[in-house]
Amino acid sequence: AQKVTQAQTEISVVEKEDVTLDCVYETRDTTYYLFWYKQPPSGELVFLIRRNSFDEQNEISGRYSWNFQKSTSSFNFTITASQVVDSAVYFCALSEMANDYKLSFGAGTTVTVRA
Amino acid sequence: NAGVMQNPRHLVRRRGQEARLRCSPMKGHSHVYWYRQLPEEGLKFMVYLQKENIIDESGMPKERFSAEFPKEGPSILRIQQVVRGDSAAYFCASSPTSGLTDTQYFGPGTRLTVL
Repeated sequence: AQKVTQAQTEISVVEKEDVTLDCVYETRDTTYYLFWYKQPPSGELVFLIRRNSFDEQNEISGRYSWNFQKSTSSFNFTITASQVVDSAVYFCALSEMANDYKLSFGAGTTVTVRA
Repeated sequence: NAGVMQNPRHLVRRRGQEARLRCSPMKGHSHVYWYRQLPEEGLKFMVYLQKENIIDESGMPKERFSAEFPKEGPSILRIQQVVRGDSAAYFCASSPTSGLTDTQYFGPGTRLTVL
């Protein structure tokens, strides 16, 4: 069963538009962590954020913000005023108490920001 | 502070040859994880190693694949008698300890192409 679902395969926006990436997860554990990673065209995987299951506060970092809602098992990611450099594949991932070192990744959402 | 290093970045092999992928973890990190990313998919866990020990290889194919993390030197993922289906990006990650609270930092990946 898919533990992390990123329903959006591709999103294309024009520069300066906001873009929200959805992530829905599934777990029976009460303690878990959620992550977002960015994979730019160069291919490396860049860590963006980690959030634990007990902290539902939304987080903002520059143009990035994250909305964690346990009630809907979602951990969505918004890029405000997108820029061409934001073009990348974005992965949501989950680690659970039961398999604490194994990250379960979603399939990724490809974001293309056009000038 | 150097990040996780992987080499080679690109590797081309013919069917039946061997592929050796190397990973040097971040300084101070003694836990190494290997993930595989097939085209158009998210990353899938393969194996978790500590120095000289394989802790969990549940994600690794039973045949042809092996991994090691010797006392000295990088971690090695070895694929014998490669087949076309082995073509993928192989990512290594490291963390200082292992557990739910640790973030895994990824290397740039090795892109293996099997002709």
